[in-house]
Amino acid sequence: DTGVSQNPRHKITKRGQNVTFRCDPISEHNRLYWYRQTLGQGPEFLTYFQNEAQLEKSRLLSDRFSAERPKGSFSTLEIQRTEQGDSAMYLCASSLTRVNDEKLFFGSGTQLSVL
Amino acid sequence: LAKTTQPISMDSYEGQEVNITCSHNNIATNDYITWYQQFPSQGPRFIIQGYKTKVTNEVASLFIPADRKSSTLSLPRVSLSDTAVYYCLVGAGNTPLVFGKGTRLSVIA
Repeated sequence: DTGVSQNPRHKITKRGQNVTFRCDPISEHNRLYWYRQTLGQGPEFLTYFQNEAQLEKSRLLSDRFSAERPKGSFSTLEIQRTEQGDSAMYLCASSLTRVNDEKLFFGSGTQLSVL
Repeated sequence: LAKTTQPISMDSYEGQEVNITCSHNNIATNDYITWYQQFPSQGPRFIIQGYKTKVTNEVASLFIPADRKSSTLSLPRVSLSDTAVYYCLVGAGNTPLVFGKGTRLSVIA
């Protein structure tokens, strides 16, 4: 068990550029979540997958954001035409779904800075 | 919106027991209660989870009264390394967990 891996750890980009982040979950986990966190706030839910199906997206998620999880393994989160307000820590978590029992395992996140 | 309410911050001296209480008045029958710990520049880490009464593991204890409208995370004999943000969440695994702002615990030498 190598844990949840996120790449890159840090990303600096200019406003208007596209960025893509990758998340490799724990291998046997069927659920994968993306959260965003800004300074002083708790993680904010963005979207999640069960296997390869994207089950829910936050209403706060702009159309500039898209996420995929091909083959139910790793996931990518792409932000198009980045804005300074997109600067945040992007966290990925995975879990193995059980009835009335779910524990999220988080990666260390990708810190995005939009200049 | 988060389903829970907890203090914004707490201070404690090293070696003391710390109790962080979380209110979840609208907890549903199927919801369980989970606590996470987060250090700066890291993702949250699972600490403990329970449904009712008391749960204890090597890190903490979780006390849940019969009405389940609140819960208390107990950290025995805290050290400086316990300085972190602690989040209380409720959910049943059928919807994504919603984080609040958590409780910022500062342990002082």
